[in-house]
Amino acid sequence: AQRVTQPEKLLSVFKGAPVELKCNYSYSGSPELFWYVQYSRQRLQLLLRHISRESIKGFTADLNKGETSFHLKKPFAQEEDSAMYYCALKSRGNKLTFGTGTQLKVEL
Amino acid sequence: SQTIHQWPATLVQPVGSPLSLECTVEGTSNPNLYWYRQAAGRGLQLLFYSVGIGQISSEVPQNLSASRPQDRQFILSSKKLLLSDSGFYLCAWSAREHTEAFFGQGTRLTVV
Repeated sequence: AQRVTQPEKLLSVFKGAPVELKCNYSYSGSPELFWYVQYSRQRLQLLLRHISRESIKGFTADLNKGETSFHLKKPFAQEEDSAMYYCALKSRGNKLTFGTGTQLKVEL
Repeated sequence: SQTIHQWPATLVQPVGSPLSLECTVEGTSNPNLYWYRQAAGRGLQLLFYSVGIGQISSEVPQNLSASRPQDRQFILSSKKLLLSDSGFYLCAWSAREHTEAFFGQGTRLTVV
């Protein structure tokens, strides 16, 4: 069975501080991993995917197969980063599983 | 371009009444379709997903069912609603592997 774990329900940081949102997964095959974000009063939307190895809005995430992790990082938090962040895993059978989410709050 | 429509946006139903939430996708063919329930502290719980017409995978035992009568239509149903069915329901679609999922606006269901 596939599972995504986000241990933190709420993460509060000051503006300019580094951010790391944790995500661990369990899956027997080769996973496709994503980070989704939901800003206030907006639809859930894709932030980034591991296969692209890109930086979006200053965020990056590296897949660590040894630790089965896909943590989301940003060196300097901005106020507009405040949102709900979900880690997600897509299996070869197209099943898309989400974690419980982490609410990021960036304080001034 | 592709779009996803989900309705209604809000719904108040009495206990024991039936439910039908509809989701349709435009601008693509043979999408993967998903129903989720979003709850504070519980994240996005996958309820059902479908990779083709008539193919439904159920993830959690519950009072709900799903159907896919057409390629781009996904329906969430219940014969008799329970109070515990209250929540925020999201429909999503994706193309085949290695692509993102796109979400509808969601339906806020309140069972009274």
